[in-house]
Amino acid sequence: ETGVTQTPRHLVMGMTNKKSLKCEQHLGHNAMYWYKQSAKKPLELMFVYNFKEQTENNSVPSRFSPECPNSSHLFLHLHTLQPEDSALYLCASSQESGRDNEQFFGPGTRLTVL
Amino acid sequence: DAKTTQPTSMDCAEGRAANLPCNHSTISGNEYVYWYRQIHSQGPQYIIHGLKNNETNEMASLIITEDRKSSTLILPHATLRDTAVYYCIAAYNTDKLIFGTGTRLQVFP
Repeated sequence: ETGVTQTPRHLVMGMTNKKSLKCEQHLGHNAMYWYKQSAKKPLELMFVYNFKEQTENNSVPSRFSPECPNSSHLFLHLHTLQPEDSALYLCASSQESGRDNEQFFGPGTRLTVL
Repeated sequence: DAKTTQPTSMDCAEGRAANLPCNHSTISGNEYVYWYRQIHSQGPQYIIHGLKNNETNEMASLIITEDRKSSTLILPHATLRDTAVYYCIAAYNTDKLIFGTGTRLQVFP
C-alpha cells in the first residue's frame, strides 16, 4: 500500500464509450501525475498537476481529459479512444512538483479498448 | 534531461548483493540520479535518489562516481521479492522523470 489508490483496476471499453479513471492519494501531497505504460514500452508521463493547477501536458491527445478538483483527487476522462490506447494507466503523487522528492505510484488501471 | 544507459538484464543469487550499474555521462550539475523499480504489473516504487554524495536508506545504497557520469545501485542482500525492473533516471526534479527500459533483475534461489 503506497497511499495512492486507483479505480477501477481493470476497464474494458468500446471506442465510442466515455469512461473515467479515478486516483486518490491519502498522503497529503500537492502534486499528482498521470502516466501511460503500453505493452513493452517505457512509462510515458502524460499530465502533471501541482496544487490543482496543470503544469505539464506531454502532448497528449484531446481524447484524454484530466481533471484535478482538489489535491487529493485526480481523474482521467476518456472518450472516443482507439485500440492503441490500451495500456496500464498509472497515477502518482509527490509532496510538490518541481522538487527533488519521490513519487508514490498507485497500482494502475489496466485499460483495454475494443 | 540526461539519457541513462543500463544493462537489459542481470541475475543475482538470493542473499547476495545485487549491484546494478547505470551510465549517465551527459548528466548536468543540477540533475539528480533517481532509482525506481517496478515489480510485474504493479506501479513503480521509489528506491533512492542522490545528487553527488553516496546515499543509503533501508532499501538500498546509491554510489555515484566522483565525476557523476555513472552510478551503482546496491541491494545488499537480494531476496526473491527484489525481482523487478529497475530504472535509473537522471532528472532535475520530479516533473522530468523519463523512464527508460531499465534493467530486469532476476533473483534466483
